Amino acid sequence: DVKVTQSSRYLVKRTGEKVFLECVQDMDHENMFWYRQDPGLGLRLIYFSYDVKMKEKGDIPEGYSVSREKKERFSLILESASTNQTSMYLCASKEGGTGGYTFGSGTRLTVV
Amino acid sequence: AQKITQTQPGMFVQEKEAVTLDCTYDTSDQSYGLFWYKQPSSGEMIFLIYQGSYDEQNATEGRYSLNFQKARKSANLVISASQLGDSAMYFCAMREFYNAGGTSYGKLTFGQGTILTVHP
Repeated sequence: DVKVTQSSRYLVKRTGEKVFLECVQDMDHENMFWYRQDPGLGLRLIYFSYDVKMKEKGDIPEGYSVSREKKERFSLILESASTNQTSMYLCASKEGGTGGYTFGSGTRLTVV
Repeated sequence: AQKITQTQPGMFVQEKEAVTLDCTYDTSDQSYGLFWYKQPSSGEMIFLIYQGSYDEQNATEGRYSLNFQKARKSANLVISASQLGDSAMYFCAMREFYNAGGTSYGKLTFGQGTILTVHP
């Protein structure tokens, strides 16, 4: 089975800190995604990547950036964390074409 | 405009009864896909069922079926014979295709979710 691993389950950071959320998949998937999940809003797409070093903005990219130096790893970066970025962050990967999506277990980030 | 709408923030059902979770979508594409995911309290997203826009038959997977009404742009999830373990958040999602770098890629958009509670 494809596995998508997010490095931290829970994270607490201070306002203004630079935060890295890491996601690694083990099935050579081309496409990787970062979502944030908030009550009443569902999952919203922040950024996605369809190849190494390639990235596309999702629906809510402001305040975030991403890095994909290797195919298996997709990092979400909060350049200067703010309290409104407190949320659950979910990473997903999928193979090309009409392949299915596999999600990680999520990172619950609290910015204080 | 919301692309995926789930109008039921919460639903209750008695164990062993059937329940329908509503989902409507908005797209001008001819080719798209509709997904349902389950998210238990542990947080992982579990894929349940998929319906392609060109599929003429409604998708079924065990106790899950997708009531696909293309003209109405609805893709309701039906869970038959509910079990206590079905209590969870349920998300409807739509995959649309876009072009980047000369290739077509899929992008998944989610609804707000419905919390299902199954009573014994």
